[in-house]
Amino acid sequence: EAQLVESGGGLVQPGESLRLSCATSGFTFSSYWMHWLRQAPGKGLVWVSRIYSDGTDTIYADSVKGRFTISRDNAKNTLYLQMNSLRVDDTAVYYCARGSYYHFDLWGQGTRVTVSS
Amino acid sequence: QSALTQPPSASGSPGQSVAISCTGTSSDVGGYNYVSWYQQHPGKAPKLIISEVSKRPSGVPDRFSGSKSGNTASLTVSGLQTEDEADYYCSSYTGSYIWVFGGGTKLTVL
Repeated sequence: EAQLVESGGGLVQPGESLRLSCATSGFTFSSYWMHWLRQAPGKGLVWVSRIYSDGTDTIYADSVKGRFTISRDNAKNTLYLQMNSLRVDDTAVYYCARGSYYHFDLWGQGTRVTVSS
Repeated sequence: QSALTQPPSASGSPGQSVAISCTGTSSDVGGYNYVSWYQQHPGKAPKLIISEVSKRPSGVPDRFSGSKSGNTASLTVSGLQTEDEADYYCSSYTGSYIWVFGGGTKLTVL
């Protein structure tokens, strides 16, 4: 069964950094684009970033550009999100998802990030 | 990119049908047949229920259907069941490898 499991969330202060991981299993990780999305408390879903299957291309939402870095290790079947210069409005549940142009067809259970002083 | 526009709430009685709209622009919903819909129960991860405007992934009941006209996509849930009570989100590809979501619709089964 295909599965995504996020980890690495927690409570940090504004300006600090955090690295999220998304361990995958049950499918050929290296064949798929992967994404990070987030959901602030009581709010809707927001797409954050996408990485090509081979890691050669990345793109980011304007709200995180220059602060967040998506990466992947296809040998370890793991996706990452390095989050620097965190702000209060980055507080959210972060989801990794498998996806394409058409949809996000497999989601993890999410990891909570809280940025607060 | 602005978020897509969804009604904040919708409701229906068991067995009835309800439609949820998702309005964008010619740069997203109207420009691509890459509209998808997601169901999210409280405290759970989103689940894909409609892809490419009207395609149902394996395992999704045929009570769920999708359509699009111009810049507005719609999700219809027929034969409402209590387990359909959830938040529903639409999403669209916008070009330039950017994706946008609607604000979500809370569906209540009365």
